[in-house]
Amino acid sequence: AQSVTQPDIHITVSEGASLELRCNYSYGATPYLFWYVQSPGQGLQLLLKYFSGDTLVQGIKGFEAEFKRSQSSFNLRKPSVHWSDAAEYFCAVGINFGNEKLTFGTGTRLTIIP
Amino acid sequence: EAGVVQSPRYKIIEKKQPVAFWCNPISGHNTLYWYLQNLGQGPELLIRYENEEAVDDSQLPKDRFSAERLKGVDSTLKIQPAELGDSAVYLCASSLDRDHEQYFGPGTRLTVT
Repeated sequence: AQSVTQPDIHITVSEGASLELRCNYSYGATPYLFWYVQSPGQGLQLLLKYFSGDTLVQGIKGFEAEFKRSQSSFNLRKPSVHWSDAAEYFCAVGINFGNEKLTFGTGTRLTIIP
Repeated sequence: EAGVVQSPRYKIIEKKQPVAFWCNPISGHNTLYWYLQNLGQGPELLIRYENEEAVDDSQLPKDRFSAERLKGVDSTLKIQPAELGDSAVYLCASSLDRDHEQYFGPGTRLTVT
């Protein structure tokens, strides 16, 4: 069975600083990988996804993620965070065609300080 | 375009009482998902519908949980009777079909006292 590990429960970053959120997955075949963001009281919004091809994926809101098969990782990055980026971030792995069954990590809560 | 609509947004009930959650997916979306999100955890799939057919309900605790999606549009998730451990956020999501992005609703936060 597939699994996702997000080792950082909570990260605090200064506004304007760079950000990297870690995600490691376990799956026997080629994974379909996703990053979602959840603001308080809101549903999850898809930031980006990786199915195949270029291992560096661009998403919305200035986020990007890099798939590294050798490290079983799919880390999320942003060069300069904004106060509005404060939220909970979830990494997820899909099987089959990707969206049929998503397994989510436990999430990383991002706090932005002035 | 309207997103996924869920109601109620918040519900507080006493244990052993029944409760129901309603979800209206994005128009034209054939696939509908119900997820359970416990505090500090990621969402976990409860059930997935393709149109009106429940094609994956392996994670649904069938002794107390039930779901339906009549006419392949709106869906209702029911718990009867509710237990203290059912306190969580129940998320609904929909997608055009199983090969496309899932769009999530805001969720229903259930508190069982």
